[in-house]
Amino acid sequence: DQQVKQNSPSLSVQEGRISILNCDYTNSMFDYFLWYKKYPAEGPTFLISISSIKDKNEDGRFTVFLNKSAKHLSLHIVPSQPGDSAVYFCAASGNAGNMLTFGGGTRLMVKP
Amino acid sequence: GAVVSQHPSRVICKSGTSVKIECRSLDFQATTMFWYRQFPKQSLMLMATSNEGSKATYEQGVEKDKFLINHASLTLSTLTVTSAHPEDSSFYICSARQPSLEAFFGQGTRLTVV
Repeated sequence: DQQVKQNSPSLSVQEGRISILNCDYTNSMFDYFLWYKKYPAEGPTFLISISSIKDKNEDGRFTVFLNKSAKHLSLHIVPSQPGDSAVYFCAASGNAGNMLTFGGGTRLMVKP
Repeated sequence: GAVVSQHPSRVICKSGTSVKIECRSLDFQATTMFWYRQFPKQSLMLMATSNEGSKATYEQGVEKDKFLINHASLTLSTLTVTSAHPEDSSFYICSARQPSLEAFFGQGTRLTVV
């Protein structure tokens, strides 16, 4: 039973446009959500996070939106750059501890 | 930001041998570290939670006798793949996290068993 789902395995956007990556979760106990970026053969790097007490968090080109009632979060990247091409994972954690539950990842390709 | 260092980044070993992977938190004390495994084009799968000074907690389906985890200090956890087989070839990643903060990941270890 996947508690965190990223339904789009891949996404292709043009440089300069907005990239929107989506993530859905089922566990209502999750209260902290994170996005990670991963290049092949490297560990994930942290991008941005959001606590369940907020519905938006912005950091430069990256904005994460959280809709608790829909159990949905999204990552917006604008403007998209070719260097953003990578696999993006959303992750969630609850008050049960430090463990993160990851989605399946979405491969973003930004075309020049 | 906090850094987690994982070593080695790449290892090739013969079938039947054991391989040790180290994970260090460089600038914070991590009472808990996590070990993940990633197969090609798949997500990160949690293998086990490494607890400093006590036994690791393994996820369902992960053989504890095959994947030995030792967390002897607040800054070091090791994963030993014992009697490695080709099907153990994978990308292994450790992470450490401070409460209510983001998790930091090691660089990952590409294990190839020949």
